[in-house]
Amino acid sequence: AQRVTQPEKLLSVFKGAPVELKCNYSYSGSPELFWYVQYSRQRLQLLLRHISRESIKGFTADLNKGETSFHLKKPFAQEEDSAMYYCALIITGGGNKLTFGTGTQLKVEL
Amino acid sequence: DAGVIQSPRHEVTEMGQEVTLRCKPISGHNSLFWYRQTMMRGLELLIYFNNNVPIDDSGMPEDRFSAKMPNASFSTLKIQPSEPRDSAVYFCASSLARAAEAFFGQGTRLTVV
Repeated sequence: AQRVTQPEKLLSVFKGAPVELKCNYSYSGSPELFWYVQYSRQRLQLLLRHISRESIKGFTADLNKGETSFHLKKPFAQEEDSAMYYCALIITGGGNKLTFGTGTQLKVEL
Repeated sequence: DAGVIQSPRHEVTEMGQEVTLRCKPISGHNSLFWYRQTMMRGLELLIYFNNNVPIDDSGMPEDRFSAKMPNASFSTLKIQPSEPRDSAVYFCASSLARAAEAFFGQGTRLTVV
């Protein structure tokens, strides 16, 4: 079965420092990967997806099939980036089953 | 559209009682998901429906949990009997098509005492 692993429960960085939230997946085929974010007192929402290859709020994520990773990166952290981040995947041929990792709480300190 | 609507927002119940969580997906969406969020395990997929039909319920913890989707605009998640370990935030989400963005409700915070 497919699995998403986020090794860090909590990541604390200073404002202006680079951020990297790690995500690894286990699946032998070609999954579609996503990052979702949950800001305090807000709904969980889509941040970005790998097929779009876009930068959202300064965040980017590249799918590395060799390392089965989809790490989320931002060169300079902002205070408003503090939130819970979830990596998720849908496997091809798997219907619409959206599977999440355990999440990483990002805290940006001043 | 008001987005995915869940009710109640908060539920406190005694162990052994039946609990019913409700979800109204976004109109026109054909996939609906139920998730449970805990600190230890993050977001666990409990069950999902496509076109009102349950597709995968392998995440449902045990027979105490059941979910239904009688029509395209309503779904329920029932726990009977409830136990303290069921305490968590339960999210409902809906999406339009495969690999499309999933829209989440605000969640139901369940506390079983």
